[in-house]
Amino acid sequence: QSALTQAASVSGSPGQSITISCTGTSADVGGYNYVSWYQQHPGEAPKLIIYDVTNRPSGISNRFSGSKSGDTASLTISGLQADDEADYYCSSYRSSGTSVFGTGTKVTVL
Amino acid sequence: QVQLVQSGAEVKKPGSSVKVSCKASGGTFRSYTINWVRQAPGQGLEWMGRITVMFDTANYAQKFQGRVTVTADESTSTAYMELSNLRSEDTAVYYCATSYGGNWEFDLWGRGTLVNVSS
Repeated sequence: QSALTQAASVSGSPGQSITISCTGTSADVGGYNYVSWYQQHPGEAPKLIIYDVTNRPSGISNRFSGSKSGDTASLTISGLQADDEADYYCSSYRSSGTSVFGTGTKVTVL
Repeated sequence: QVQLVQSGAEVKKPGSSVKVSCKASGGTFRSYTINWVRQAPGQGLEWMGRITVMFDTANYAQKFQGRVTVTADESTSTAYMELSNLRSEDTAVYYCATSYGGNWEFDLWGRGTLVNVSS
């Protein structure tokens, strides 16, 4: 069971927008609208920021947005802020009743 | 608001088993699915399995099939993850995380339990 593929690192300056991609297959990302995204600061538990591809939980800034095209899901962070510096993981339902995470992307705010 | 409180850190010998608990408070326990996710030092997140409390049904990642058991006790609102035949590669922080109903997003996380497997 291989993980979803994410770039190891993405960087941007404050105020800019960045996009993190998450590539899977038709058995997971491409086949279901059950993609979620998590933010993890060092030493902390992950935090849900996007679910069902595009939805934000209550309390999550609208600077975070999600989308999907084919087997690739994306997370966009607009108006980049210092506190956005963290690791980001995608997750998807995978056929046969399991879930799989992406490899993770470290976001650096320059 | 549901809160998840996990058991404390463990040190285990290779070949032994560990059982981590996750107690939920402030919500309707049987409405949830409890997922278990682990993170090895400096590594990414890895989904291990889940239990849908209402139906007492469990699903496991293929990698852990036969070695992990996830259970739930409604009387104490506590979920458990037991991992057997431990090896050094199982050294990780183990998180429990809830999904409402049968959903596949993990909306609330415990603080994690460090399991250190060392001879």
